[in-house]
Amino acid sequence: QSALTQPASVSGSPGQSITISCTGTSSDVGGYNYVSWYQQHPGKAPKLMIYDVSNRPSGVSNRFSGSKSGNTASLTISGLQAEDEADYYCNSYTSSSTRVFGGGTKLTVL
Amino acid sequence: QVQLVESGGGVVQPGTSLRISCAASGFTFSSYGMHWVRQAPGKGLEWVAAISYDGSDKYYADSVKGRFTVSRDNSKNTLYLQMNSLRADDTAVYYCAKDLFRRHGFDIWGQGTMVTVSS
Repeated sequence: QSALTQPASVSGSPGQSITISCTGTSSDVGGYNYVSWYQQHPGKAPKLMIYDVSNRPSGVSNRFSGSKSGNTASLTISGLQAEDEADYYCNSYTSSSTRVFGGGTKLTVL
Repeated sequence: QVQLVESGGGVVQPGTSLRISCAASGFTFSSYGMHWVRQAPGKGLEWVAAISYDGSDKYYADSVKGRFTVSRDNSKNTLYLQMNSLRADDTAVYYCAKDLFRRHGFDIWGQGTMVTVSS
């Protein structure tokens, strides 16, 4: 159960778009369309932003979108806003019926 | 409203046991799979355990398998995590989280309960 691989940090200016990658294996990310993404602000519980690769829960801005190609999933945030500055985590279902998180990516809005 | 409230955290010595709870309200608890996720101080999220809606299926991370047991009481709308043989690296905030219905994602999270393992 190795953690999924995410970049430690990404940054962008307000109004720009950024993409966070999440790389796994054929036993997790590549094997199922069951990747989800979470936003976490300091001292707060995580918040679901994307489920099943590309679906947005009700209430989540359409500036957030998800996709997947092979063993790598991606979260794209368009029209960056100051409030988007947070940590982001991907999560995937695995062939063992367990779940695994990525190491997390710190997004800085310049 | 829909919410999860964890309780039972605290400071314990290495090798001892602790049970934490998660009280659910505002939704039909017995219809959803549930998870425990932890976060060590200054670190990322780690999935710990999952239990099916009726308690018949349970899954664990390798790091806790054989030491932790997840259970639920649907009559009390409560999720539990029994933690035995605790180690210093189990120190973390423990969150409970609710599964989406027939989808994969944790849509509701509790506020977390801190477990500190220290002598």
